[in-house]
Amino acid sequence: DAGITQSPRHKVTETGTPVTLRCHQTENHRYMYWYRQDPGHGLRLIHYSYGVKDTDKGEVSDGYSVSRSKTEDFLLTLESATSSQTSVYFCAISGTGMTDTQYFGPGTRLTVL
Amino acid sequence: GQQVMQIPQYQHVQEGEDFTTYCNSSTTLSNIQWYKQRPGGHPVFLIQLVKSGEVKKQKRLTFQFGEAKKNSSLHITATQTTDVGTYFCAGQEGSNYKLTFGKGTLLTVNP
Repeated sequence: DAGITQSPRHKVTETGTPVTLRCHQTENHRYMYWYRQDPGHGLRLIHYSYGVKDTDKGEVSDGYSVSRSKTEDFLLTLESATSSQTSVYFCAISGTGMTDTQYFGPGTRLTVL
Repeated sequence: GQQVMQIPQYQHVQEGEDFTTYCNSSTTLSNIQWYKQRPGGHPVFLIQLVKSGEVKKQKRLTFQFGEAKKNSSLHITATQTTDVGTYFCAGQEGSNYKLTFGKGTLLTVNP
């Protein structure tokens, strides 16, 4: 498996609180992605990064922000968590980005009460 | 925007039976990738198809990419309990480095 870790692996929080999820890679890959996975919806792209400080929105970006200050770290922040953001969050990385495969982290299960 | 449809959503088979999942894109793809996710796990890359009409095999798994590069299929011959999981296709359009995932097909195998 590629060197990708996510933290925390599990989190329970309350509605309205801020939450930050961390993705850390040791592969020096340029591209990093945040997905959420929900039953019946598959994997949906939230935000992605194509370099340090270079990020862009995916298809379900509302309510989420990201930051990438170093190649190895990609942070996903829920400014004010809502119950609809209860999900499993996966980070992924890829090397060249174009026609390159993605390697996924182990996931973070987030529950918003 | 690009949409990738995958059917069926669920498939239950007896061990030894064959299994096929199909993927259709609303747009022409530059390549299509297949991933497998075991229950409780994370998606793991299986294969990438790039050429029109391409067919690739991995042991009991056969992957096809349509002539128009808008559809693909994964066929498993003689399923085993180790094949259990969700199979996702993911399409890449042009030089866009984003992947659009299908919703996946959950395969369960009865021993």
